[in-house]
Amino acid sequence: GAGVSQSPRYKVAKRGQDVALRCDPISGHVSLFWYQQALGQGPEFLTYFQNEAQLDKSGLPSDRFFAERPEGSVSTLKIQRTQQEDSAVYLCASSPGTPSEQYFGPGTRLTVT
Amino acid sequence: AQTVTQSQPEMSVQEAETVTLSCTYDTSENNYYLFWYKQPPSRQMILVIRQEAYKQQNATENRFSVNFQKAAKSFSLKISDSQLGDTAMYFCAFMKRTGANSKLTFGKGITLSVRP
Repeated sequence: GAGVSQSPRYKVAKRGQDVALRCDPISGHVSLFWYQQALGQGPEFLTYFQNEAQLDKSGLPSDRFFAERPEGSVSTLKIQRTQQEDSAVYLCASSPGTPSEQYFGPGTRLTVT
Repeated sequence: AQTVTQSQPEMSVQEAETVTLSCTYDTSENNYYLFWYKQPPSRQMILVIRQEAYKQQNATENRFSVNFQKAAKSFSLKISDSQLGDTAMYFCAFMKRTGANSKLTFGKGITLSVRP
């Protein structure tokens, strides 16, 4: 069966550009999470969806970060006016619903030059 | 808020030997899960083992086992008969068991190298 997929796998953006990162969760998983992983560090929580509802966005570092999941399946993380400090791997994870194991995608490595 | 601490940045072990990775955490919650995730170089994160805090018995998965000390808030991972494929970064993570938001809180990770 298909796992969590993310696209693009690599993205290079010039400072000030907008980027959009896509996550396709495992079919039927109601919970979807975005994490940011800086080089050599553990992932840090950004935001969480249950179906189409964004229940927690407390980890988003600034108002330049925006996430959506309009139909309760695919999710997009958008970063406006990218800065060098946004360079990181962005991980998406999905889960069946109640607190349980999260299944991670391969991540999108964003480099802002 | 929860915190997870992995104080060893790197470890190395000879193939076929046993290695223990340390993790401590801090929380005021009583119901929670603890996890060890493995992230091989340039590959995606996968679950190694899970422990439910209300269970006293330590979780085991083949060559992987944990030593869960709830009172001490300690959660170490033991890898027996280490294999070259165990080379990876290992993350300890915490998740609240109740509530709508079941986000993971990760430690900084430890890089494990298995020597042939």
